[in-house]
Amino acid sequence: SQQGEEDPQALSIQEGENATMNCSYKTSINNLQWYRQNSGRGLVHLILIRSNEREKHSGRLRVTLDTSKKSSSLLITASRAADTASYFCATDRHGSRLTFGEGTQLTVNP
Amino acid sequence: EAQVTQNPRYLITVTGKKLTVTCSQNMNHEYMSWYRQDPGLGLRQIYYSMNVEVTDKGDVPEGYKVSRKEKRNFPLILESPSPNQTSLYFCASSLTPGTDTYEQYFGPGTRLTVT
Repeated sequence: SQQGEEDPQALSIQEGENATMNCSYKTSINNLQWYRQNSGRGLVHLILIRSNEREKHSGRLRVTLDTSKKSSSLLITASRAADTASYFCATDRHGSRLTFGEGTQLTVNP
Repeated sequence: EAQVTQNPRYLITVTGKKLTVTCSQNMNHEYMSWYRQDPGLGLRQIYYSMNVEVTDKGDVPEGYKVSRKEKRNFPLILESPSPNQTSLYFCASSLTPGTDTYEQYFGPGTRLTVT
């Protein structure tokens, strides 16, 4: 079964707006990662947040982690059309492998 | 350039005809993994390898084989492909999980169709 579940499944916004995607997981984790996938292409790593961290920033990306709720969120500020992609969270449960969620499809309209 | 390469990128084959999808990385990564991606199911791990000669089953290993004879290569073998193995396949590599930073680098994908 999938460890991570993203919400919403699809999100459509206008350029310049912020986009927030959520990820919930079931078991304790060592860290959580977010990836981006342009249509049909390989995933690209965006950011990693460790289980002892609560918030992390990278450019226009902000990731939060709440281990008590077993959830994470990815915020993309001032979105651009080029941000249109699928976004996946991935959890590392035992330090041996990552488990990916089903992804959120983000569409940013110009 | 650091990269993961996969070949072929596209493949149409028939049921039962053995095939191999190659994967190679040039980053000296210990960890390599194969995933399949299907609509509505996200990425599911097929097999992974923590190092040379060490492989383990992922979530959906049935119908697949792998080998890790060299650090840089991790081929995926379908001994007798079936139509339910039609999918988009990704190879990925990283430093050993559990280390501080081990983002996975993904190959470009192999789109396999089994008729």
